[in-house]
Amino acid sequence: GQSLEQPSEVTAVEGAIVQINCTYQTSGFYGLSWYQQHDGGAPTFLSYNALDGLEETGRFSSFLSRSDSYGYLLLQELQMKDSASYFCAVRKAGGSYIPTFGRGTSLIVHP
Amino acid sequence: DVKVTQSSRYLVKRTGEKVFLECVQDMDHENMFWYRQDPGLGLRLIYFSYDVKMKEKGDIPEGYSVSREKKERFSLILESASTNQTSMYLCASSPNSGRLQETQYFGPGTRLLVL
Repeated sequence: GQSLEQPSEVTAVEGAIVQINCTYQTSGFYGLSWYQQHDGGAPTFLSYNALDGLEETGRFSSFLSRSDSYGYLLLQELQMKDSASYFCAVRKAGGSYIPTFGRGTSLIVHP
Repeated sequence: DVKVTQSSRYLVKRTGEKVFLECVQDMDHENMFWYRQDPGLGLRLIYFSYDVKMKEKGDIPEGYSVSREKKERFSLILESASTNQTSMYLCASSPNSGRLQETQYFGPGTRLLVL
């Protein structure tokens, strides 16, 4: 089986840097994805790490370490609009495409 | 832009009714998904379809069925709605090509209330 663990809530101030961790227990997977969801909105794709290391997309970066069963999403220069829920997701290797999402981390950005 | 649409934003049904939730995507994606989202539980996969008439059970298929007669349309069916199926239902699609299949595009969701 597989499970992903994320903190339920993270708070930070505008302009700061915040890291949202995702630890997983799964026997083989393709990579780690991150999604953002604002209140009342649909999840939107942020990033995908197929390989170990850091992937950067503007203010957002995502990291994966398969040996540590660990990944994180790094948000820099936080803005109020970054207040949202963030979900990590994996797709188990082999067989068909069955994705699993973490329970999500609510990020609250304060002025 | 990929567009995934769902037939209703809000739906109120009575216990025992048969409920149809429709999802349409306009980007010729092979993969389509149905999730339910409940507070504190994140997104849980109900069913997945990788091609027309093909389907696979997700984590919580009990009480649900699906239909995919055309590539662009994926329907979720609650055969006999129950109050514990009150939830937000999200449809998503993704292509079936390399790295792109890791990107799911979500519809706006249908908030279903079963009385």
